Amino acid sequence: TQLLEQSPQFLSIQEGENLTVYCNSSSVFSSLQWYRQEPGEGPVLLVTVVTGGEVKKLKRLTFQFGDARKDSSLHITAAQPGDTGLYLCAARASGGSYIPTFGRGTSLIVHP
Amino acid sequence: GAGVSQSPSNKVTEKGKDVELRCDPISGHTALYWYRQSLGQGLEFLIYFQGNSAPDKSGLPSDRFSAERTGGSVSTLTIQRTQQEDSAVYLCASSLVWDMRAGELFFGEGSRLTVL
Repeated sequence: TQLLEQSPQFLSIQEGENLTVYCNSSSVFSSLQWYRQEPGEGPVLLVTVVTGGEVKKLKRLTFQFGDARKDSSLHITAAQPGDTGLYLCAARASGGSYIPTFGRGTSLIVHP
Repeated sequence: GAGVSQSPSNKVTEKGKDVELRCDPISGHTALYWYRQSLGQGLEFLIYFQGNSAPDKSGLPSDRFSAERTGGSVSTLTIQRTQQEDSAVYLCASSLVWDMRAGELFFGEGSRLTVL
């Protein structure tokens, strides 16, 4: 069973600051996704990356997939209170089951 | 509504009782997943249904847990003789089958189970 390690587990910052969260594993992934979950709701997809070295940008969010397809990072520029939530990475193993495995998440609080 | 619907949203039960949690996926989505989310933990995979194939039950934590999917649509997760460690949010998700490698999972809002 592949394990996804997310760091940091908790992050509390002021509005306007930049931050990066990480998702790492010893396994190679066929794809990796980032989801955001707000209290009382289910996770919602932010992005999917499938190619090693791939970089995707979504407004102030930048997602990167490692060259070896074992890790990923999410960078938020000029964080806003609306970015508050639990950020989860989910990966499908290369050549294995298509059932996504989720990390424990990074809980982000952005203070006004 | 067009999203994944789960019921009940909240369930409080006594230890030893049985509970049933329901999931109504998005119409046309043939893949259905159940995950469990405990406080401070990520999503723990429980069971996966894909069309008429045999379900992948590899994540069920004990034989007290079972699930079925009728008519390729609605799914019910049953927990027998509930224990306090079963307390968690149970999330259901559905997805289109065409992109098994990278398809998006659409989640419901979850059923919060509290076992006293």
